[in-house]
Amino acid sequence: EVQLLESGGGLVQPGGSLRLSCAASGFTFRDYVMNWVRQAPGKGLEWVSIINGAGDGTYYADSVEGRFTVSRDNSKNTLYLQMNSLRPEDTAIYYCVKSNSAWSSLDYWGQGTLVTASS
Amino acid sequence: QSLLTQPASVSGSPGQSIAISCTGTSSDIGRSNYVSWYQQHPGKAPKLMIYDVSNRPSGVSDRFSGAKSGNTASLTISGLQADDEADYYCSSYTGSTAPFGTGTKVTVL
Repeated sequence: EVQLLESGGGLVQPGGSLRLSCAASGFTFRDYVMNWVRQAPGKGLEWVSIINGAGDGTYYADSVEGRFTVSRDNSKNTLYLQMNSLRPEDTAIYYCVKSNSAWSSLDYWGQGTLVTASS
Repeated sequence: QSLLTQPASVSGSPGQSIAISCTGTSSDIGRSNYVSWYQQHPGKAPKLMIYDVSNRPSGVSDRFSGAKSGNTASLTISGLQADDEADYYCSSYTGSTAPFGTGTKVTVL
């Protein structure tokens, strides 16, 4: 059974940093593209970033480019999101999401971790 | 990375069929067969309902179907049930980005 468990969320002041982690199990982690998707309170879904299986290919939404960095440790089956220069508008639930084998959809989602950027 | 456009809300009575549209451009939906749909109940993580325009993952009811014409994709729910009341999002996944639709709240009357 595929499981994705996020951690690392919390309250941070604007301008601060936070690192999210996602522990994956139930599939061969290194073989799959992974994503971060977020959802601000009461708002819709926003795709944030993607990383390929080897970890050497990444893309970001314009809203986080230059501030967020996605990475992975395939030996630990763990996905990361380093978030710097946080803004109030980054406040959201952050979901760790697995892509399917064809890179065409997001087939498994974690339960999410809440990040609040506020003074 | 523009959002795809969906109606804010759609409603129907139990047993009826409803359709949710998802309008993009020739740069996303119009050129991609990687359209997917997600269902989200309040307080829960989204769930994949349709992928590659019209395919259902294992375990998803055949009451859910998807289609695409030009720059617009659609999700149809037939035989509407109380548990179908949720938010629905489309996405046109490219492998380097995955813009989502604006979301549609489905209400079962």
